[in-house]
Amino acid sequence: GAGVSQTPSNKVTEKGKYVELRCDPISGHTALYWYRQSLGQGPEFLIYFQGTGAADDSGLPNDRFFAVRPEGSVSTLKIQRTERGDSAVYLCASSLNSGSSYNEQFFGPGTRLTVL
Amino acid sequence: AQSVAQPEDQVNVAEGNPLTVKCTYSVSGNPYLFWYVQYPNRGLQFLLKYITGDNLVKGSYGFEAEFNKSQTSFHLKKPSALVSDSALYFCAVRDTTHGYAGNMLTFGGGTRLMVKP
Repeated sequence: GAGVSQTPSNKVTEKGKYVELRCDPISGHTALYWYRQSLGQGPEFLIYFQGTGAADDSGLPNDRFFAVRPEGSVSTLKIQRTERGDSAVYLCASSLNSGSSYNEQFFGPGTRLTVL
Repeated sequence: AQSVAQPEDQVNVAEGNPLTVKCTYSVSGNPYLFWYVQYPNRGLQFLLKYITGDNLVKGSYGFEAEFNKSQTSFHLKKPSALVSDSALYFCAVRDTTHGYAGNMLTFGGGTRLMVKP
């Protein structure tokens, strides 16, 4: 079946511009996660959605970052006034649900963001 | 706060030899531990997990991992390496600092496995 998809696969922008990164989770997965992976490092948690609501956004680095999931499926990560330090691969993952039992996360291929 | 350490940036092994990729962790409470593999230009792929039960966990592609509570380790192993196993491997622990409201993962820095023919 279809896995997690992310678009675009690559995004090059200029410092100060606004970007949107899209994630299509696996159908039926209620939990959705965004991570950021800088070069040579492991992924770092940004934000977690359970359904339509952002259940935990403690990983967002500052208020230039925002994410939505209005219908509980597709999610968009939005970055305002991009900075060169935002350059990284942004990964999306989804899982069946969350809570006390663990369901493994399935990751998309990522969006490579380059801020010039 | 929890953390995961992968002490080796790269592991080199000859094809057919056993391989070990090391991981140590620090968590409060019972750990939920995972291994993921990342191939170039592809997303992270789940290999295996330890939640509870047997300390030796078997996963995909012939990989296994041994949970050692006293040493706080969760090393990834495979009896006979393949060239196609060459990739970037990440150990991760479930983030419990936010309670059980989510299953966010804290990842190690990754270990590059190079299997030579």
